[in-house]
Amino acid sequence: GIQVEQSPPDLILQEGANSTLRCNFSDSVNNLQWFHQNPWGQLINLFYIPSGTKQNGRLSATTVATERYSLLYISSSQTTDSGVYFCAGGTSGTYKYIFGTGTRLKVLA
Amino acid sequence: DTGVSQNPRHKITKRGQNVTFRCDPISEHNRLYWYRQTLGQGPEFLTYFQNEAQLEKSRLLSDRFSAERPKGSFSTLEIQRTEQGDSAMYLCASVIGGPEQFFGPGTRLTVL
Repeated sequence: GIQVEQSPPDLILQEGANSTLRCNFSDSVNNLQWFHQNPWGQLINLFYIPSGTKQNGRLSATTVATERYSLLYISSSQTTDSGVYFCAGGTSGTYKYIFGTGTRLKVLA
Repeated sequence: DTGVSQNPRHKITKRGQNVTFRCDPISEHNRLYWYRQTLGQGPEFLTYFQNEAQLEKSRLLSDRFSAERPKGSFSTLEIQRTEQGDSAMYLCASVIGGPEQFFGPGTRLTVL
C-alpha cells in the first residue's frame, strides 16, 4: 500500500518565523489533503490539493504530483499555529486516506 | 452547527465492556468514514459507507468491531469486549460526492 512520510517530525519556531513542511508519497495519489490537528484532537481542513498551488492567508501549499510530494508553507507563524500537521493521500474510488505520522509544530511567543 | 458531530466526546470503560459511538455526518453527505488514531500516530482507516452500504473494511477492524449506517444517515461503531489496545481516538469523516473529507471532533476511548 501507499506509504506517507512527513518531515520534519518535530519543529520548534519563534513567533514570526516561516517554515516548510514536507510530505512524500511512495506511490501516486489522486487525492491529497493537509490538516491541522488542534489540541483537542479535531482535524481541521487546510487544503485539498492533489496538484498545483493554493494559498489561504499565511498558509500556502504546493503539490508536485509527478514527483509525489507536497509542501505546506507557514509564514509569520503564530502561537495558535501550534499543533500537529498531517498530510493524507488516496486514490480514486474509495477515497480512503492514508495519513502520514505528522509534523508536531510548537510556536514560541 | 452544520459540521460532523460525534458522541460521546470521551468514553472511559473497563476491559471487557461493550461501547458504542455515534457519528452524525454533514447533511446530504453520502460517504462516511471511520478512522482510528493512537497516540503519536496518524489516523488509520477502519471502514467506510456509501449511503447505507458498508463498502470496505480494514484488517484493523477485528470481529469485535461492527459499524452500521441505517438509512444512510448517522453511523454507529460498536466495540465488543473492549481491550486495552482499543484505547484510541475514533474519528468520523463525511464526504459529499468526493473526495475532500470533513472530520468530526472524535471520540476518545480509554479502556482501563
